[in-house]
Amino acid sequence: GDSVTQMEGPVTLSEEAFLTINCTYTATGYPSLFWYVQYPGEGLQLLLKATKADDKGSNKGFEATYRKETTSFHLEKGSVQVSDSAVYFCSLLSRANSKLTFGKGITLSVRP
Amino acid sequence: ETGVTQSPTHLIKTRGQQVTLRCSSQSGHNTVSWYQQALGQGPQFIFQYYREEENGRGNFPPRFSGLQFPNYSSELNVNALELDDSALYLCASSLRLAGGLWGETQYFGPGTRLLVL
Repeated sequence: GDSVTQMEGPVTLSEEAFLTINCTYTATGYPSLFWYVQYPGEGLQLLLKATKADDKGSNKGFEATYRKETTSFHLEKGSVQVSDSAVYFCSLLSRANSKLTFGKGITLSVRP
Repeated sequence: ETGVTQSPTHLIKTRGQQVTLRCSSQSGHNTVSWYQQALGQGPQFIFQYYREEENGRGNFPPRFSGLQFPNYSSELNVNALELDDSALYLCASSLRLAGGLWGETQYFGPGTRLLVL
């Protein structure tokens, strides 16, 4: 079945540091890939998405590229801010059944 | 454009009771999916509704059931509550076009936090 693996957390960075959060997936067919962010006590917000190989999703300074050859969708940001502190979930959407499969999530803390 | 809304925001029940959670989809959307998020975990797919019919189900027992109404809003019902049902329940809506492929972006509501004692 489909699965998503995220790097172990938590991650703590200083403001303006470079961020990489690794994500790999296993899926049949060609899924769409997403990063969602969850702030404390809230639901999930869509951060960015990519629907086919080599697509780059971007939003609020975050970027991720759909790499079919390595089955990866790593999240990057050049300069993190305190307000980026949250839990980040990598996920895939199966084209066979429209079901989202999530990774376990990683907590990012950014200190001033 | 109205986003996804859920009610109630918090709920406390005792083991064996029944609960109904509600979701209003984002305006223009016709598909609703429900997810369970246990503390410290990623969301797990419960089921999806399209055109008022269940369209896919995850690994959840039959005591988890749902409905979708003509206005595309939805309910999640859980019978015979167990302690492990304590979680954040998330509703997500999306738009599936007639004849379209699956794979539409899902937008989430704020969730209902259920505590079973």
